[in-house]
Amino acid sequence: AQSVTQLGSHVSVSEGALVLLRCNYSSSVPPYLFWYVQYPNQGLQLLLKYTSAATLVKGINGFEAEFKKSETSFHLTKPSAHMSDAAEYFCAVSVSGGSYIPTFGRGTSLIVHP
Amino acid sequence: DVKVTQSSRYLVKRTGEKVFLECVQDMDHENMFWYRQDPGLGLRLIYFSYDVKMKEKGDIPEGYSVSREKKERFSLILESASTNQTSMYLCASDRNRGRGSYEQYFGPGTRLTVT
Repeated sequence: AQSVTQLGSHVSVSEGALVLLRCNYSSSVPPYLFWYVQYPNQGLQLLLKYTSAATLVKGINGFEAEFKKSETSFHLTKPSAHMSDAAEYFCAVSVSGGSYIPTFGRGTSLIVHP
Repeated sequence: DVKVTQSSRYLVKRTGEKVFLECVQDMDHENMFWYRQDPGLGLRLIYFSYDVKMKEKGDIPEGYSVSREKKERFSLILESASTNQTSMYLCASDRNRGRGSYEQYFGPGTRLTVT
């Protein structure tokens, strides 16, 4: 069975600073990896996904993530935080065959200070 | 624009009431899901359905049931609401069929309070 761990339930940055949200996964077969964002009182929406093509994946709103198999990681980054980036971020992993239902991390709340 | 809609954004019910949460998707997706979201616990899967009239238990099915009579509609039922079911409920759909490479599409959520 696959699993995902998000380090840090809260991450606080200043506006204009680098954003780094950490995600480590566990899977016995090649994974598919996703980052979702949830703005207050809304559902989740896809930021980006890795499906075994390029290891560096670019998403919406200037976010990107790099798949590192050796480190079993899929960390989310953005060079310069904006106030509008304040939200909850979820990492998820799924696989082909068997149970292809995604497993979600517990989420990281990004706080952006002016 | 693809859409997953949920019947209510906010709901207040009394302990012991039967509660229905409705979800509709317009993307012709085979799979539909119900999650509950609680602070610090992330998303936990209650039930999912991979076809009309088909359902599978997720991680926390106790106290819940589901119904899928039409492909586009997936209902979550709380048979007898309890205060520990106060939560945010999220519906999602996707078109994965043996592959996990497709993303899920989520509704806006229903914040249920049981008093």
